[in-house]
Amino acid sequence: GESVGLHLPTLSVQEGDNSIINCAYSNSASDYFIWYKQESGKGPQFIIDIRSNMDKRQGQRVTVLLNKTVKHLSLQIAATQPGDSAVYFCAENTGYKLSFGAGTTVTVRA
Amino acid sequence: KAGVTQTPRYLIKTRGQQVTLSCSPISGHRSVSWYQQTPGQGLQFLFEYFSETQRNKGNFPGRFSGRQFSNSRSEMNVSTLELGDSALYLCASSPREVQDSPLHFGNGTRLTVT
Repeated sequence: GESVGLHLPTLSVQEGDNSIINCAYSNSASDYFIWYKQESGKGPQFIIDIRSNMDKRQGQRVTVLLNKTVKHLSLQIAATQPGDSAVYFCAENTGYKLSFGAGTTVTVRA
Repeated sequence: KAGVTQTPRYLIKTRGQQVTLSCSPISGHRSVSWYQQTPGQGLQFLFEYFSETQRNKGNFPGRFSGRQFSNSRSEMNVSTLELGDSALYLCASSPREVQDSPLHFGNGTRLTVT
């Protein structure tokens, strides 16, 4: 069945550096992808989304890249800040629901 | 605009009991989805409602049920609680179809079954 997974469960980043979080998906028919950030004690917070007719989309300090050829998704965070410490999930829309990856825990070092 | 509101934030129940969780979506959002989050299984889809109709259901036993009211508020019920039902239950809403717009999540209800 389809699955969405992240390459690394944890990522430690120096404050001010750029972060790259990767995600692989298996359903080549998926056409909508979303990145979420979840802080401790809170629900997932929408960061950015991208549709399959695009390969790049930029937001405030974030960029999502989509490579449909290899079914790979990445989230880039520019100038990582302490407030970026959280668990990041990629999610794949499968028609009526989202299928989430296991998440990557990002820790920002001062 | 207020976000998705879930009540209560925390619940402690005993095996065999039942529980009802409540969700108020963002104003104007008609689709409400429920997810279960556990350390072992991650985020798993429970069900999705649109205009008071359950349109889709995840792979959960019949002990898990829900409903949506005419004002789009939703409740989910778990009967005959088991220890494995301990989890964070998340409600999410979207203004349109799930495939057309991102889900916006509440902060969840933390259910502990003892």
